[in-house]
Amino acid sequence: NAGVTQTPKFRILKIGQSMTLQCTQDMNHNYMYWYRQDPGMGLKLIYYSVGAGITDKGEVPNGYNVSRSTTEDFPLRLELAAPSQTSVYFCASSYSSFGAPYNEQFFGPGTRLTVL
Amino acid sequence: AQSVTQPDIHITVSEGASLELRCNYSYGATPYLFWYVQSPGQGLQLLLKYFSGDTLVQGIKGFEAEFKRSQSSFNLRKPSVHWSDAAEYFCAVGAWDSGAGSYQLTFGKGTKLSVIP
Repeated sequence: NAGVTQTPKFRILKIGQSMTLQCTQDMNHNYMYWYRQDPGMGLKLIYYSVGAGITDKGEVPNGYNVSRSTTEDFPLRLELAAPSQTSVYFCASSYSSFGAPYNEQFFGPGTRLTVL
Repeated sequence: AQSVTQPDIHITVSEGASLELRCNYSYGATPYLFWYVQSPGQGLQLLLKYFSGDTLVQGIKGFEAEFKRSQSSFNLRKPSVHWSDAAEYFCAVGAWDSGAGSYQLTFGKGTKLSVIP
């Protein structure tokens, strides 16, 4: 298993540009998440999905959009990049069921995004 | 809603010394507790987790953590630190968020560990 993969690893954007961060998992997990990590601030949840076709906002969703058309993929879209979106973005996945609702999240290697 | 506090932003220890990283949580019921480690430029890797049962849990790389309900703590320990343990460590609490209507994982802000050779 490759686990959780993210592309690209690095990206520099100009203000106002748009881009999509890709995330794929091959563990058949139903839950997927997007976090951003800023120095000294830990991880903040942007969006999450509990299954294909279902997404919901996390703590810091403004300026981002997501979709989940398949179990495996959970892309994050930045429509109008702003300097405040300079951060490291992590995708994660986990499996939750009625008998085992709380399981660990597996993380991708991250995408380092700079908006100038 | 749940919250996690890691009181120490940065800790420096000598190689071979013991280590304890503190984590306090706030949650009304018994939470699900995790410790993750992040090496520079890498993603997060799970060290250990506590769901129920024995309050002393063993993890990878020689780490252990103890859940103390009375103190709302889940401190991470290692008896002898190696230079390769230098990284950032995150405590996390998993709990049902009634506002979101789903299971949520809340992270502390992290403790950076430096190891002196």
